[in-house]
Amino acid sequence: EPEVTQTPSHQVTQMGQEVILRCVPISNHLYFYWYRQILGQKVEFLVSFYNNEISEKSEIFDDQFSVERPDGSNFTLKIRSTKLEDSAMYFCASTSRELAGDGELFFGEGSRLTVL
Amino acid sequence: KNEVEQSPQNLTAQEGEFITINCSYSVGISALHWLQQHPGGGIVSLFMLSSGKKKHGRLIATINIQEKHSSLHITASHPRDSAVYICAVRWNTGNQFYFGTGTSLTVIP
Repeated sequence: EPEVTQTPSHQVTQMGQEVILRCVPISNHLYFYWYRQILGQKVEFLVSFYNNEISEKSEIFDDQFSVERPDGSNFTLKIRSTKLEDSAMYFCASTSRELAGDGELFFGEGSRLTVL
Repeated sequence: KNEVEQSPQNLTAQEGEFITINCSYSVGISALHWLQQHPGGGIVSLFMLSSGKKKHGRLIATINIQEKHSSLHITASHPRDSAVYICAVRWNTGNQFYFGTGTSLTVIP
């Protein structure tokens, strides 16, 4: 069964360091998303990506964050200079149809980021 | 402020019991998503609803748009159903899903 894969599963970094989280969406999917979940809190939307550009982003997704799809398969989330409050589980998701329709979201297993 | 509320926050049941988890939201939505989060953190989509009722195996999801309420039912619960169940809604005014805080279910053998 096709699945969304994420790497690394866990990353520990020092405050101020750059981090790149990687995702390989399901191959025929067109819409890609990043969500985060701070420990003990709810899942929060960060950004959606379609046709090689950001289609929507939340207030959380400030200038420290960026996304790209460098090679047609990977979908990356970069945090330029990590802060303690960036510690969270980051989920990548993809869907074959825009969520405005009835596209089901498929999630990766998540990347746990710990900022020290 | 638009809100998604789930109840109960925590639920413990004996194996075989019928379980109901509720989701209420404050304003109009275009769709509602029920998701299951495993103890390890992974998230799996269970249902997406915009009206009526859907059934998959022992899981049933219903939504009442007028009352702004949805329920997820699990029949003949099993310890492997132990997980956090999350309701996420898409407001009429947007395209993204906003998540509730989840209901933590523990099914005891």
